[in-house]
Amino acid sequence: SQTIHQWPATLVQPVGSPLSLECTVEGTSNPNLYWYRQAAGRGLQLLFYSVGIGQISSEVPQNLSASRPQDRQFILSSKKLLLSDSGFYLCAWSVGSIYNEQFFGPGTRLTVL
Amino acid sequence: RKEVEQDPGPFNVPEGATVAFNCTYSNSASQSFFWYRQDCRKEPKLLMSVYSSGNEDGRFTAQLNRASQYISLLIRDSKLSDSATYLCVVTHSGGGADGLTFGKGTHLIIQP
Repeated sequence: SQTIHQWPATLVQPVGSPLSLECTVEGTSNPNLYWYRQAAGRGLQLLFYSVGIGQISSEVPQNLSASRPQDRQFILSSKKLLLSDSGFYLCAWSVGSIYNEQFFGPGTRLTVL
Repeated sequence: RKEVEQDPGPFNVPEGATVAFNCTYSNSASQSFFWYRQDCRKEPKLLMSVYSSGNEDGRFTAQLNRASQYISLLIRDSKLSDSATYLCVVTHSGGGADGLTFGKGTHLIIQP
């Protein structure tokens, strides 16, 4: 069966510090991978998605970036965090079309102080 | 008009009652529809896909009304454990990530 891992579960970082969040998927090949952010009291915002190694589509201009160095690994990064980067970061995967049902990881709760 | 709209609630419903809520969408070319459940401070979990003919999974029934552009979720014999936020997802191919839209969710509280 497929599983998705995200770490860390919680993170508190000062403004201006770097960020690296990692997501890995097991039990499937060539998945579509997604990064979402959910700010307090708001909906899910799609940040990036990837249909294959090295292929990243960015949906929202921001100080974040994503990389997919391996088939089942997706990394979200920032060189300098802003207060507005606080939120719940969720990684998800799907197979086939990017519009198929997605399955989410447990998320990382990021607080920028 | 927003692409996908949901009544944020909260819907306060006594245990054992039947509750239904809708999700409206603006793009008539939308093709795939899903309902997710999200517990407080947890990740969304797929509840069910919504098929054109409607579908049922135990106490949950999902329906699609293309003419009026909405999907619905009906929960029968509600349980305390059904308390959660229910998110709808609407997709249409060819729009890149613009073709993938989550609603902001409907908050459901089942009361004993």
